[in-house]
Amino acid sequence: DVKVTQSSRYLVKRTGEKVFLECVQDMDHENMFWYRQDPGLGLRLIYFSYDVKMKEKGDIPEGYSVSREKKERFSLILESASTNQTSMYLCASSPPIDDTQYFGPGTRLTVL
Amino acid sequence: GDSVTQMEGPVTLSEEAFLTINCTYTATGYPSLFWYVQYPGEGLQLLLKATKADDKGSNKGFEATYRKETTSFHLEKGSVQVSDSAVYFCARANAGKSTFGDGTTLTVKP
Repeated sequence: DVKVTQSSRYLVKRTGEKVFLECVQDMDHENMFWYRQDPGLGLRLIYFSYDVKMKEKGDIPEGYSVSREKKERFSLILESASTNQTSMYLCASSPPIDDTQYFGPGTRLTVL
Repeated sequence: GDSVTQMEGPVTLSEEAFLTINCTYTATGYPSLFWYVQYPGEGLQLLLKATKADDKGSNKGFEATYRKETTSFHLEKGSVQVSDSAVYFCARANAGKSTFGDGTTLTVKP
């Protein structure tokens, strides 16, 4: 089974802090994604990556950056956390010829 | 841009009732279509998918048929159980990128 793990299930940070959310997948998938999930807004794509050291902006990249130094790991960075970034963050991966996405359990981030 | 519109929730049913959750999608390109399910406290997981017109995806008693003429992919189950209570997301995907609906919360009461 594909396994996607995220570094924390729950995280509480202060406004202005730099926040790192880590995601690791164990199935050698090329594609990786970061979404945020908010009530009434569904899933919104923040960033995605089709290969190591490659990144593409999604629909809501402002306030975020990403890093993909190794194929299995995709990190989401909040350079200076703000209260409006309080949300559930979901990481996903998919193989190149199949659009099925495999999700991690999510990180619920609260910014105070 | 690409979009997916699904039936607004929440939906509350009694056990053994028939379930339909409507989903329509934009027809740009040749998308694959998916239903994902999210149980409380978890990430999304694939429920079923269909990759071309007239394909039927099925899993755990759930079914959905890829209807190109109506750009729809409605989810159905003949007899729901309490354990089916979850949030259901319809999605379309093409060239590695997915677009999700807003999700429909289903609650099944005993």
